[in-house]
Amino acid sequence: AQSVTQLDSQVPVFEEAPVELRCNYSSSVSVYLFWYVQYPNQGLQLLLKYLSGSTLVKGINGFEAEFNKSQTSFHLRKPSVHISDTAEYFCAVTRGGTSYGKLTFGQGTILTVHP
Amino acid sequence: EAQVTQNPRYLITVTGKKLTVTCSQNMNHEYMSWYRQDPGLGLRQIYYSMNVEVTDKGDVPEGYKVSRKEKRNFPLILESPSPNQTSLYFCASSLGKGSGSNYGYTFGSGTRLTVV
Repeated sequence: AQSVTQLDSQVPVFEEAPVELRCNYSSSVSVYLFWYVQYPNQGLQLLLKYLSGSTLVKGINGFEAEFNKSQTSFHLRKPSVHISDTAEYFCAVTRGGTSYGKLTFGQGTILTVHP
Repeated sequence: EAQVTQNPRYLITVTGKKLTVTCSQNMNHEYMSWYRQDPGLGLRQIYYSMNVEVTDKGDVPEGYKVSRKEKRNFPLILESPSPNQTSLYFCASSLGKGSGSNYGYTFGSGTRLTVV
């Protein structure tokens, strides 16, 4: 079975400060990892994904994430946040092959950027 | 425009009255999936489908049914809704593991269901 734990339910930060949203996963096999963002009253939008290769993944809106297999983590970072980054962020994991369809999400982290 | 379309956006119904939430995608995606979102619990998968006539249970399938008779449509059926199914529901689709795929899921705008 696979699972995802987002270690912080809420992260407050000031504008232009750096931010890290933490995500740990558990799976006995190789995984594919994703970060999604949900703005208020909207659906989910894919920020970035790790499939294979380089462990540092760059996504949209200046976000990046680092896959760490030994620590089973996939933390999301941004060096300087903007007010418009205020949203809920979800980490998700799936396995390849016939299990691709089973996508498991974490509980979400609400990022609030203060002026 | 490539998109996943859910209907209705909002629905209030009474306990026990059968309902269907429709989901349609225009991207020729193989994979489709239904999630429910509840505060503090994130998104939990209800059912997913790998292709026409191929479906499997997610983490919270009880009280729900799905069917995939056409590639573009994946309706969610609540045969006898109960108040604990009050939630925000999302449909999503993905091309899957084919070459050139972006491997991610595209989500619909959501259906807010209230069962009284």
